[in-house]
Amino acid sequence: GAGVSQSPSNKVTEKGKDVELRCDPISGHTALYWYRQRLGQGLEFLIYFQGNSAPDKSGLPSDRFSAERTGESVSTLTIQRTQQEDSAVYLCASSLANSNQPQHFGDGTRLSIL
Amino acid sequence: QKEVEQDPGPLSVPEGAIVSLNCTYSNSAFQYFMWYRQYSRKGPELLMYTYSSGNKEDGRFTAQVDKSSKYISLFIRDSQPSDSATYLCAMRIQGAQKLVFGQGTRLTINP
Repeated sequence: GAGVSQSPSNKVTEKGKDVELRCDPISGHTALYWYRQRLGQGLEFLIYFQGNSAPDKSGLPSDRFSAERTGESVSTLTIQRTQQEDSAVYLCASSLANSNQPQHFGDGTRLSIL
Repeated sequence: QKEVEQDPGPLSVPEGAIVSLNCTYSNSAFQYFMWYRQYSRKGPELLMYTYSSGNKEDGRFTAQVDKSSKYISLFIRDSQPSDSATYLCAMRIQGAQKLVFGQGTRLTINP
């Protein structure tokens, strides 16, 4: 079946602009996660959704970062007033509701801030 | 100090060799341990998922967890060029949702 889908796959924008990244989880997966991967680094947790609510936003690095999820499916991650240090691959994952279930990742959005 | 330490490599071995990849961690509350494989410009793909200490085998892959030493390993037998990728360890606390990742080890299998 279809996996986690992310769009766009690549995004280049100028410093100071706002960007929106989209994630379509696997059908039936109520848990959704956003991670960031800087060049040559492991993944950093950003935010977790269970359904439409976000019980854990502890990884969002600043108030320029926000995320929402509607209809227990699609999620958008928004970065306002982008900075060069925001350049990274932004990865989305989804899983079934039970916390013991493994997380399945999309291929990410590669964001470059000029 | 990072919660999860992983040697970034790069690691280069000949085809057919046994590969050993390792991570150490500092938080004794971690209970779930995972290994992901990540090809260039792709998302991480789950390889192994284990709970607490012990061994788990799946085909050419074996995962080991030693909680007393806070050390986990992934062994790849009969390595193939298609195994060339970055391998990421990840772990999670019971009841928590977020995964904590190592830096990843870049592995190349030479034909």
